[in-house]
Amino acid sequence: GQQLNQSPQSMFIQEGEDVSMNCTSSSIFNTWLWYKQDPGEGPVLLIALYKAGELTSNGRLTAQFGITRKDSFLNISASIPSDVGIYFCAGQRGGTSYGKLTFGQGTILTVHP
Amino acid sequence: SAVISQKPSRDICQRGTSLTIQCQVDSQVTMMFWYRQQPGQSLTLIATANQGSEATYESGFVIDKFPISRPNLTFSTLTVSNMSPEDSSIYLCSAGTGGYNEQFFGPGTRLTVL
Repeated sequence: GQQLNQSPQSMFIQEGEDVSMNCTSSSIFNTWLWYKQDPGEGPVLLIALYKAGELTSNGRLTAQFGITRKDSFLNISASIPSDVGIYFCAGQRGGTSYGKLTFGQGTILTVHP
Repeated sequence: SAVISQKPSRDICQRGTSLTIQCQVDSQVTMMFWYRQQPGQSLTLIATANQGSEATYESGFVIDKFPISRPNLTFSTLTVSNMSPEDSSIYLCSAGTGGYNEQFFGPGTRLTVL
């Protein structure tokens, strides 16, 4: 099945630095979701985006729904060691695909203290 | 949000056997889904668990291999049948409510097939 193109695949940063990652698709999505997965855990929802152009924040996290509805990005400001994990974007279409998520490949984030 | 639990959390199984994974949600939800996450990979949707009717499977997944039940709005099971080492993965259930398209995941079941 189709996957979203998520980049970068991995990032190694120093504590306090800002992080940016993005997802792109060849097709339109109605909803974009960003998740974080820690080792041995299920994905945890960070931010949900519902409208093209929408910019939403959750603490140090900011995400945007691209105006073309084919992309989204996630920024993390002033990273801390507990930000370590795998970040996934996920897109959701409407219609008969309502509720089904298509995931990006993930971005592995390592934060050096 | 919804709080989701799964049982078992992990298992080691022999080739040719079957394992049933349970998913329990703390509130009634419209939609429940089952995903597979192979080692080091992203999540892939297996099927939509429909309450009161047969599950809807994605391309590459079939009912004989992954039978699913959903007897009510808070519970679902996924069975991995006639297992082989290639079935070693994390199996995750998710739940979403109508209206807003947010989906929440369980902690996953880590399956190793020998």
